[in-house]
Amino acid sequence: KAGVTQTPRYLIKTRGQQVTLSCSPISGHRSVSWYQQTPGQGLQFLFEYFSETQRNKGNFPGRFSGRQFSNSRSEMNVSTLELGDSALYLCASGGQGTDTQYFGPGTRLTVL
Amino acid sequence: AQKVTQAQTEISVVEKEDVTLDCVYETRDTTYYLFWYKQPPSGELVFLIRRNSFDEQNEISGRYSWNFQKSTSSFNFTITASQVVDSAVYFCALSAYFSNQFYFGTGTSLTVIP
Repeated sequence: KAGVTQTPRYLIKTRGQQVTLSCSPISGHRSVSWYQQTPGQGLQFLFEYFSETQRNKGNFPGRFSGRQFSNSRSEMNVSTLELGDSALYLCASGGQGTDTQYFGPGTRLTVL
Repeated sequence: AQKVTQAQTEISVVEKEDVTLDCVYETRDTTYYLFWYKQPPSGELVFLIRRNSFDEQNEISGRYSWNFQKSTSSFNFTITASQVVDSAVYFCALSAYFSNQFYFGTGTSLTVIP
């Protein structure tokens, strides 16, 4: 089985711009979660989508949003980028319950 | 509230030494799951083990072993005869039952010196 894929792998944006990150889960997985990883805050949960519905949401401002498509692929959008949004964004896929989460390679976003 | 503490920020060992990574968690749930992940320099989190709160049996997988003790809320990870390829950041994580929202510790950076 192919693993979790994320595109793009690297992004450079400037403050005020918006960005969309994409995640394709492992085939058959219906849950997709997003995490932000920074040196200062560590790994923080953004949100989880299951069957196109947001099931859980972390403590992030509304500039961070996501969606999931019928094929389970997910996108994450960050609007009005700030310098502090520079981070590694990791996507994970899993099953229905508390399933093992399998992570993708991440998208490294740099905001200048 | 859920919380995971990995007090060891960085550890260095010489190859072939044994090393134990500590993980202490807090939760009010009676049912929960614990995980360990490895993050090599490439950045991808690699799954190592999942344990549910009902199963306190220790587990061994090759050079890796895990010690789960509910009485002390700890889920420690031991690498026996460490190798250079074990150099990575290791994360412990906690999730509530039937939830895919993970709470991660701050990670322990392990360096194995040849």
